[in-house]
Amino acid sequence: DTGVSQDPRHKITKRGQNVTFRCDPISEHNRLYWYRQTLGQGPEFLTYFQNEAQLEKSRLLSDRFSAERPKGSFSTLEIQRTEQGDSAMYLCASGGQGATGELFFGEGSRLTVL
Amino acid sequence: AQSVAQPEDQVNVAEGNPLTVKCTYSVSGNPYLFWYVQYPNRGLQFLLKYITGDNLVKGSYGFEAEFNKSQTSFHLKKPSALVSDSALYFCAGNNFNKFYFGSGTKLNVKP
Repeated sequence: DTGVSQDPRHKITKRGQNVTFRCDPISEHNRLYWYRQTLGQGPEFLTYFQNEAQLEKSRLLSDRFSAERPKGSFSTLEIQRTEQGDSAMYLCASGGQGATGELFFGEGSRLTVL
Repeated sequence: AQSVAQPEDQVNVAEGNPLTVKCTYSVSGNPYLFWYVQYPNRGLQFLLKYITGDNLVKGSYGFEAEFNKSQTSFHLKKPSALVSDSALYFCAGNNFNKFYFGSGTKLNVKP
């Protein structure tokens, strides 16, 4: 257990529905990242926050994807109007101060869009 | 573009033999490089990192990695493989706080 928790662990939804994933990082970590991972591939960077500021979001896959970290603690990743191609594992990671620190990953939230 | 590459999709090794999982990088400036391991249906676990200094870095579970600037490589090594080392291994680079991951190498250690 790395101390990063994600909820839900699994989500099955129908195409066109909205889904939201939550990530609770390690409490003293100010950096928070979202990644997407499909089967057999490496994690694909989506976005990251430093405290409550979203410093990079250009990699979010489309305007259907959005992320928030309103108080610099937990974060949510929302996918609107889900498509079958959104089926993947969504990983959250947190890191401490400084660019050289490693990231700690949660167990991931697996999304299946029917 | 900043990237890391893992040229082997799969590495097979017998238990007790040394193992190497390869990684090359293309990161401008001073590269910060990492290795992670992923077991089925689990998140990624940090193994080790290179920031600066000694080119040979040691990490968790007996793993080590050698940074080679001239070859732009950061290969993961272990002197004696265990069956329990079988997993998916990812190399990653950090550039301006954005971590980029390789496509992964599946390590199979056979008894």
